[in-house]
Amino acid sequence: GQQLNQSPQSMFIQEGEDVSMNCTSSSIFNTWLWYKQDPGEGPVLLIALYKAGELTSNGRLTAQFGITRKDSFLNISASIPSDVGIYFCAGPYNQGGKLIFGQGTELSVKP
Amino acid sequence: DGGITQSPKYLFRKEGQNVTLSCEQNLNHDAMYWYRQDPGQGLRLIYYSQIVNDFQKGDIAEGYSVSREKKESFPLTVTSAQKNPTAFYLCASSITPPDTQYFGPGTRLTVL
Repeated sequence: GQQLNQSPQSMFIQEGEDVSMNCTSSSIFNTWLWYKQDPGEGPVLLIALYKAGELTSNGRLTAQFGITRKDSFLNISASIPSDVGIYFCAGPYNQGGKLIFGQGTELSVKP
Repeated sequence: DGGITQSPKYLFRKEGQNVTLSCEQNLNHDAMYWYRQDPGQGLRLIYYSQIVNDFQKGDIAEGYSVSREKKESFPLTVTSAQKNPTAFYLCASSITPPDTQYFGPGTRLTVL
């Protein structure tokens, strides 16, 4: 079945550093979504990607839809303490109206 | 103010009791979803509904039940048959499945 492999599982970085995380699948996806979850809260949509090769930015965040349609990347530049949280990638199942989520990348930022 | 509300934020129940978690949305979304999240883990789909009066089981539906009598509301009941009910429960909705899903703030259920 479809699976999303997200890496790394966790990251500990210094404030000001850039961050990169990725999501890969054995299946082709037509949409890639990136969410951030603050501790104790629901995930919030950061970026949605709909086209292979697409590069989209949202402030200090940049995400790319891989050209093979089997991967996606999220980069955060000049990290700040409020970037702390869990970042999830997601994409639609082949059918059935559902999303599949990666296991998440937990980001810790040291001031 | 459009959005998804879940109540309560924290819920405590004794073992063996059924409990119902509320989820309401005023976004006019057709589809609604319930997920369970355990510490350090991703999201697992419990139930979803693409239209009023219809719903489907997700990956971990055993011990849970839902109803979808109104477009705006999708309550989840955690029954006494659910062996490990303590978890963080998230509700989400989307315009047209499987389009982008938007999440509520979550309910943390603790069964004592």
